[in-house]
Amino acid sequence: AQKVTQAQTEISVVEKEDVTLDCVYETRDTTYYLFWYKQPPSGELVFLIRRNSFDEQNEISGRYSWNFQKSTSSFNFTITASQVVDSAVYFCALSEAGNYGQNFVFGPGTRLSVLP
Amino acid sequence: ETGVTQSPTHLIKTRGQQVTLRCSSQSGHNTVSWYQQALGQGPQFIFQYYREEENGRGNFPPRFSGLQFPNYSSELNVNALELDDSALYLCASRHRDSNYGYTFGSGTRLTVV
Repeated sequence: AQKVTQAQTEISVVEKEDVTLDCVYETRDTTYYLFWYKQPPSGELVFLIRRNSFDEQNEISGRYSWNFQKSTSSFNFTITASQVVDSAVYFCALSEAGNYGQNFVFGPGTRLSVLP
Repeated sequence: ETGVTQSPTHLIKTRGQQVTLRCSSQSGHNTVSWYQQALGQGPQFIFQYYREEENGRGNFPPRFSGLQFPNYSSELNVNALELDDSALYLCASRHRDSNYGYTFGSGTRLTVV
């Protein structure tokens, strides 16, 4: 069975601090996809990144970076120099390759509060 | 692109009633999924429709049903509402040419009293 764990329920940081959101996943599949989504108070899930299981290169996009380590089944997300607008709930998700994107398994989410 | 639109945004129903939630996707989005997100939890997959046929279902009872229409709109129907059905219901759609880009709507907040 697939499972995604986000051990941090809530995190509060002061603006300009760096923050890392942890994600640990479980799957028996050898091919799968990992995602991060942001959910602002308005409710919609905003896509941030997709990573397939064969691509362990870390990725940086502006202030965002992702560290995928297959050996520890982790896909952590770091925000550098956080801003108030980063305040939201962040979800890590897993999807089987065979049913591409059909059935996301989401973690419970981490609520990030960035204080001014 | 106009995004994925869900209606209504908020809804209050009484236990035992039936409800229909609607989702309007962009042209060409022939795959639509529905998710239930209870307060403080991550979304849970209900089912997916592809070209108007259900082609995947999560661990939800048959009283959760859906429809997808040729105009890229879809519905989620829930019969015999229970208090635990109170949640945010999210619709997500994907363009036929996209290999992973699901677009989520802002959801319908359903409260069952």
